Amino acid sequence: SQQGEEDPQALSIQEGENATMNCSYKTSINNLQWYRQNSGRGLVHLILIRSNEREKHSGRLRVTLDTSKKSSSLLITASRAADTASYFCATGQVGSEKLVFGKGTKLTVNP
Amino acid sequence: DAGVTQSPTHLIKTRGQQVTLRCSPISGHKSVSWYQQVLGQGPQFIFQYYEKEERGRGNFPDRFSARQFPNYSSELNVNALLLGDSALYLCASSSLPRSTDTQYFGPGTRLTVL
Repeated sequence: SQQGEEDPQALSIQEGENATMNCSYKTSINNLQWYRQNSGRGLVHLILIRSNEREKHSGRLRVTLDTSKKSSSLLITASRAADTASYFCATGQVGSEKLVFGKGTKLTVNP
Repeated sequence: DAGVTQSPTHLIKTRGQQVTLRCSPISGHKSVSWYQQVLGQGPQFIFQYYEKEERGRGNFPDRFSARQFPNYSSELNVNALLLGDSALYLCASSSLPRSTDTQYFGPGTRLTVL
């Protein structure tokens, strides 16, 4: 079963615009991670935010976490065509030894 | 530095056959996890091994098994293949012991069962 649900399922924007993706989950977590996947190949780790953190930045990426609403958002600023990919949130659940992924958001950045 | 490597890249099998997928972790990483990703879905956790011991198992039937070798490489075996086993199989390694820590993924093995 999949814990996280990304929203929207698909997003199409123009180069230079910002892209925001959301993730909701159901159970208590230790951390939440975002990964990127290009064309059905391996996933690339983008950022990890712990349950006691509210916001984290990495380059053009900004992640927020609201544990009271069981939700997270990933913001990509000044998007580029190379950002075109599927983005997945993954949760490290309390009391579980497995990372649980959502179904992903497919982002298309048009040049 | 080499990343996580997986072999083969693609594989075609028929129903009922058995398959072995291989993974070499990043040098120095002792944790290896396996995931199955069906088209249009996110990866689903199958197994995690740390220091050659199974640390976690997902909701997969006993047809799926894995092991980790002394050099920390790993194999995933699937017996009695079903059409529904067609998927991208991803291996991930980590320097930390928990499968919920940051994972570094390989390119995957695409398995097609006919």
